[in-house]
Amino acid sequence: DAGVTQSPTHLIKTRGQHVTLRCSPISGHKSVSWYQQVLGQGPQFIFQYYEKEERGRGNFPDRFSARQFPNYSSELNVNALLLGDSALYLCASSPARFGEQYFGPGTRLTVT
Amino acid sequence: DQQVKQNSPSLSVQEGRISILNCDYTNSMFDYFLWYKKYPAEGPTFLISISSIRDKNEDGRFTVFLNKSAKHLSLHIVPSQPGDSAVYFCAASVTGNQFYFGTGTSLTVIP
Repeated sequence: DAGVTQSPTHLIKTRGQHVTLRCSPISGHKSVSWYQQVLGQGPQFIFQYYEKEERGRGNFPDRFSARQFPNYSSELNVNALLLGDSALYLCASSPARFGEQYFGPGTRLTVT
Repeated sequence: DQQVKQNSPSLSVQEGRISILNCDYTNSMFDYFLWYKKYPAEGPTFLISISSIRDKNEDGRFTVFLNKSAKHLSLHIVPSQPGDSAVYFCAASVTGNQFYFGTGTSLTVIP
């Protein structure tokens, strides 16, 4: 069975630009969560979506937004990129709203 | 404020011996805990979980212990194998959906 997939793998953007990251959960999983991991730190929670509704939001500015589609895939959008947004963005899926989460390989975003 | 802490950035263990990775947390409301293993250029891989109603959970070579009064959990790997060399993260949650991660411990198993 395919695991969580994310696209693109790597991305380079300029300050002020907008970026969209994509995630496809494991088949049958209805929950998708997004995390940001900067070098030397653990993943930091950004959003959780379950059944296409936002179920949790971490301490991130409104420049970060997300949505979940009817097929349970998800997009993370970041507007007005800052240098500090450079990080590995991880998507995790789970079969239910609560419980263990299974991560994709991540998207490495570099903002110059 | 770091609610989940892994105070040992690195750990080296001989192959065949026990690896013990530690994790401390500050929020007494945390009631569900996970351990992940991460190789370079890959996403974290789920290893084992434990809820606050238990103090121990085993899965093969991996055992997680939870001490709620001390707000401490540990992951034991017995016996350690070279393929276990990776960064290990603990994560904690109040609701089971929003997880707080530690900063990770890099485990090296020496053949």
